[in-house]
This record gives sequence, C-alpha cells and structure tokens, in this order.
Amino acid sequence: QSALTQPASVSGSPGQSITISCTGTSSDVGNYNLVSWYQQHPGKAPKLMIYEVTKRPSGVSNRFSGSKSGNTASLTISGLQAEDEAAYYCCSYAGISTRVFGGGTKLTVL
Amino acid sequence: QVQLVQSGAEVKKPGASVKVSCKASGYTFTTYYIHWVRQAPGQGLEWMGIVNPSGGSTSYAQKFQGRVTMTRDTSTSTVYMELSSLRSEDTAVYYCARDSEGTTGSLDYWGQGTLVTVSS
Repeated sequence: QSALTQPASVSGSPGQSITISCTGTSSDVGNYNLVSWYQQHPGKAPKLMIYEVTKRPSGVSNRFSGSKSGNTASLTISGLQAEDEAAYYCCSYAGISTRVFGGGTKLTVL
Repeated sequence: QVQLVQSGAEVKKPGASVKVSCKASGYTFTTYYIHWVRQAPGQGLEWMGIVNPSGGSTSYAQKFQGRVTMTRDTSTSTVYMELSSLRSEDTAVYYCARDSEGTTGSLDYWGQGTLVTVSS
C-alpha cells in the first residue's frame, strides 16, 4: 500500500485561505468516503480535524473544511491563524480494516 | 474523559523485541478497535495495524506482517504492540489510537506516544 500524495509544504498569511491536497487511488480515496485529516504540532500527538471527508468533530473550528473529488481529497483552512501552523496528514480507509496515510504537509503561517 | 496512556520510552539493540502498552480509560474498552501508528524522526505517520479489544482479532499492514503482534488484556483495558527483529529503521515514536466507528472510522483519540530507539 503506497502512501497518499500530499505537497510537502504550503504557506499563507494570516487571514488568508489555503488548501492541502491528498491524492490516492481508486483503491483508497476514490473508493471510500472515509478520508480523515489530522493536525500535528511538533512533539505532540496528532489531532483529528476532519472525518468522513467533510465532517468536523466537536470543538474543531469551522475554519477547517474538507472535500473530495475522484481520487483526491482536500483540506481547506480559511482565515489562517498563527496557531494553525503545524503538519497536516490525510488518511484513507483502504479496505479490510486497513488505513493509509499521506506523507504530510507542513503549513507555515507567514 | 477518554484517555489512552502509553508506556515509557525504550532503548533496544538491533535484533531485539519491544512491547509497548496502551491503557484505555473513560469508555467501554471492548467497544472500540485500537490502531497502532508510528512516526520515524522527522518523518510522516505510518499505519501499522489494528486490534479488536473484544475478540482479539487483528489486521496488520503488509510491511509488518510476521514481525508485529498486537494483543489485548481486557482485565486491565490494555492493548499491546510487540515488534520483533528490531533494526535501526524502527526507531520511531509509536502511537496507539482509538477507531471511532468499528474498523472504518477515524482515529479520534490518541495516546501520548512512546519513543523506541534501536541502537547498538
């Protein structure tokens, strides 16, 4: 199972919007609406931000949103804030209880 | 509140085995599957496998088949991940995480991570 493809880095200024892509295959992202996104600050455990492509857990800001088209999922963060600076990982269900993660994207808030 | 508390850091020699524990609290242990995910220094997240705390069934990533064993102890609400034949590339932080919905959900709660260092 190959890792999902994410850009290594993205950046944006406070208040702007950014989008992180996550490209898989018809065996994972394209076949299931079971993509989730995780935020990870340095030295911390990942935190769930989006699940089932578009849903936000309780307590996660509505500035975070998710979408999917074909084999590519996307995470959009609007109204960028300094505390959004972190690494972001997508994850897809890949059948028979398995998961595959993306390589991660480092978000820099300028 | 839901908590997953992992065992402490380990230093192992190449060829040895390591067993990491993950103690769950704040919910019914047997209701939610547990995943194991690792992260090498400066690298991304890598899914290792999943264990059913109720029946003990497992599913492992192909990369770790034959080297990893995931078990559970319902009496202490603890799951374990044992990795054998360690090599330097296994140096990583190992996380346990709860599956929110059977075996197809998101990973909604994570342990604090356990650093395993493999060095001669």
